[in-house]
Amino acid sequence: SAVISQKPSRDICQRGTSLTIQCQVDSQVTMMFWYRQQPGQSLTLIATANQGSEATYESGFVIDKFPISRPNLTFSTLTVSNMSPEDSSIYLCSGLGLNEKLFFGSGTQLSVL
Amino acid sequence: AQSVAQPEDQVNVAEGNPLTVKCTYSVSGNPYLFWYVQYPNRGLQFLLKYITGDNLVKGSYGFEAEFNKSQTSFHLKKPSALVSDSDLYFCAVRDKENGNNRLAFGKGNQVVVIP
Repeated sequence: SAVISQKPSRDICQRGTSLTIQCQVDSQVTMMFWYRQQPGQSLTLIATANQGSEATYESGFVIDKFPISRPNLTFSTLTVSNMSPEDSSIYLCSGLGLNEKLFFGSGTQLSVL
Repeated sequence: AQSVAQPEDQVNVAEGNPLTVKCTYSVSGNPYLFWYVQYPNRGLQFLLKYITGDNLVKGSYGFEAEFNKSQTSFHLKKPSALVSDSDLYFCAVRDKENGNNRLAFGKGNQVVVIP
């Protein structure tokens, strides 16, 4: 099973600032994804992180707000830009293993004041 | 597009009784189906999956789920619930032929096991 290390685990940020979340996988995954889980809600897919190219964003999410990088197979970052209180959520990194299993990082609890 | 319905918000069960968490799905092709559990302050932990083969799938911690194609369901079950099973459970589906490997999650069910 893959282990995904995600950091920071939590942060409290001021409105208008940006936060970059890092995700490191300890073994090869075929795909990497970023999800958002708003309070009391299910997981919503933000984007698929593509190695060496621009991420594929889901409807309602844009690159200017959530820039994503994936420079190699096992590392990805998500930046939450120009934050507002509505961005307060848990952000989850995930990787798709070779056995079709999706592994998750422990999540980043973001609070925006 | 694929979707999942978890009709109940909360499932209450007495310790030692059978536990069932319901899930129905919708895909245009054939499904890959998953159950995850979310512990407080942690990410999602994989419980079990259905890819192909036997409709009854056994997973971690004594959980199992049965794939029912005619009813488009994948209910999670445990014969005897423990207090430690009280957590948030998510059903998820992926379309084998479509959907670009994206996983769609249900809204989640809070399971409360009463001592």
